[in-house]
Amino acid sequence: AQSVTQLDSHVSVSEGTPVLLRCNYSSSYSPSLFWYVQHPNKGLQLLLKYTSAATLVKGINGFEAEFKKSETSFHLTKPSAHMSDAAEYFCVVSDRGRGSTLGRLYFGRGTQLTVWP
Amino acid sequence: NAGVTQTPKFQVLKTGQSMTLQCAQDMNHEYMSWYRQDPGMGLRLIHYSVGAGITDQGEVPNGYNVSRSTTEDFPLRLLSAAPSQTSVYFCASSPSFLRGGPADTQYFGPGTRLTVL
Repeated sequence: AQSVTQLDSHVSVSEGTPVLLRCNYSSSYSPSLFWYVQHPNKGLQLLLKYTSAATLVKGINGFEAEFKKSETSFHLTKPSAHMSDAAEYFCVVSDRGRGSTLGRLYFGRGTQLTVWP
Repeated sequence: NAGVTQTPKFQVLKTGQSMTLQCAQDMNHEYMSWYRQDPGMGLRLIHYSVGAGITDQGEVPNGYNVSRSTTEDFPLRLLSAAPSQTSVYFCASSPSFLRGGPADTQYFGPGTRLTVL
């Protein structure tokens, strides 16, 4: 069965400091992993995705994530936070196995990122 | 190319009323799905479709019906609205759904905010 755990429901950082949003996953098969961002009252936007190519994945707006199979983790990082990064972030795993659940997305509960000036 | 569109953006219903949330995409995507988003819960899959004429249930299907008569449209019907269905609803589509192949990025609509009194 697939599941995602986002280890922090809220993260606060100062502008210009690094961002770390943590995500652990459980998957019966080789997973596809995603990070989506949702700004207030907006839809979801894809930040980056991992689909069994390079383990370090670069996304938009300076974000990147590293797939660590041994730790079943896919943490999201950014070297220097900007005020515009304040949003809710979702870690997502996709079922790449077979059967009726193929292709489903399983969402974490979200991490709210606050950026202080 | 409008992407994924959803109507209405906001809706207030009384308990027991019925309504249909509309979702359309103009990208010729095979896979479409409906999610609901509740605070602290992430997004949960309601129903999905792997192509015209084919639908299946997700995690939280009770109280909702769907149909997929065309590739472009995937309406979500609430037959008898209940306060527990107060939520934000997102429709998403994905360009391919090859059994056993890699999962593709899902494109999300802007959402419909539904309140049931």
